[in-house]
Amino acid sequence: GEDVEQSLFLSVREGDSSVINCTYTDSSSTYLYWYKQEPGAGLQLLTYIFSNMDMKQDQRLTVLLNKKDKHLSLRIADTQTGDSAIYFCAEGGLDDKIIFGKGTRLHILP
Amino acid sequence: DGGITQSPKYLFRKEGQNVTLSCEQNLNHDAMYWYRQDPGQGLRLIYYSQIVNDFQKGDIAEGYSVSREKKESFPLTVTSAQKNPTAFYLCASSIRGPEAFFGQGTRLTVV
Repeated sequence: GEDVEQSLFLSVREGDSSVINCTYTDSSSTYLYWYKQEPGAGLQLLTYIFSNMDMKQDQRLTVLLNKKDKHLSLRIADTQTGDSAIYFCAEGGLDDKIIFGKGTRLHILP
Repeated sequence: DGGITQSPKYLFRKEGQNVTLSCEQNLNHDAMYWYRQDPGQGLRLIYYSQIVNDFQKGDIAEGYSVSREKKESFPLTVTSAQKNPTAFYLCASSIRGPEAFFGQGTRLTVV
């Protein structure tokens, strides 16, 4: 079945870049997503990438996709305290199912 | 303003009771989803619906039921058959494309 894996924790110093990694198993995925969740809240879509793209950049966010290795990464440049949250990788296909990883908790060090 | 609304924000259930969580969207989205979130478990798909009057089981449907009588509404009932219902429940909707929008969640606690 489909599975999405990501590391559970990441600590980064304020001002440095954060890189959150994710692997997925479903080669038929059409979209790959990054969502952000702040405490006690729902999920906010940060960005998504079509499976036929290699890279997408949106301000401080850069998404890289290696389709051969089924590896997705999210880079946050100049990490700020407001970036502290849980980041979820997810994959979706034409069947409308969206499968999420367990989330990576990003902790910002002063 | 368009959006997706879950209610209530907090819900308490006694052992053996059924409870229904509300999810309403005015985004004219076709697809709607229910997820359960437990600490360290991420989001697990309970049910999803691609169209009115149709829905599919997700990975953890046992002990839950849904209906999709209207495009705007996708209520989730947590039945007494669900042995460990305490969790954070998230509803989402999408236009059958890449962007799924989430509600703010309902925290259900068994007392």
